[in-house]
Amino acid sequence: DSGVTQTPKHLITATGQRVTLRCSPRSGDLSVYWYQQSLDQGLQFLIQYYNGEERAKGNILERFSAQQFPDLHSELNLSSLELGDSALYFCASSGRQGSTANTEAFFGQGTRLTVV
Amino acid sequence: AQTVTQSQPEMSVQEAETVTLSCTYDTSESDYYLFWYKQPPSRQMILVIRQEAYKQQNATENRFSVNFQKAAKSFSLKISDSQLGDAAMYFCALENFNKFYFGSGTKLNVKP
Repeated sequence: DSGVTQTPKHLITATGQRVTLRCSPRSGDLSVYWYQQSLDQGLQFLIQYYNGEERAKGNILERFSAQQFPDLHSELNLSSLELGDSALYFCASSGRQGSTANTEAFFGQGTRLTVV
Repeated sequence: AQTVTQSQPEMSVQEAETVTLSCTYDTSESDYYLFWYKQPPSRQMILVIRQEAYKQQNATENRFSVNFQKAAKSFSLKISDSQLGDAAMYFCALENFNKFYFGSGTKLNVKP
């Protein structure tokens, strides 16, 4: 168990709809990362938050948005969904508060989104 | 810019044999970490091994070891005594200032 929790595990929705994916990072981790992985593809970095603020942005569509709340959990909002948005969405966390040591990214189990 | 390159999209190895997965990276930073992650068919991302750039000694974890060549910016993963359970996608990653850069992955097939 990585300590990172993602909900829901599976989501099926129709085109044009909006969904929210939720991530609870490992206790004390300040950074949250969102990745998109289509079938048999690599990890596409979407966005990173650090202690509530956006830190880095990757190939994130304008239809997608995210935020990190004061309790450090994060949500990824996907709107006007298209068939091509079907993918596995990973959340990862790192950067334990109070530690100067760099650590690996701990991954959640992912949310499998299917757009029909 | 920091990049990670895995030039082998797919590899195969016979059970009990040894296989080496390649990874090269580019960074102008001197302080960074390197990782290999495994993604089995369950698609869970599992950390296999990590290497601190300031350490010259190559990291090892049981049957997994790395060949870290800092000057050449190379970070290969060696899997000894390959097992069927090693079949997975393997991703090389670079971490610097809490930012992660992943390679495109190498799919490893293990033949019985």
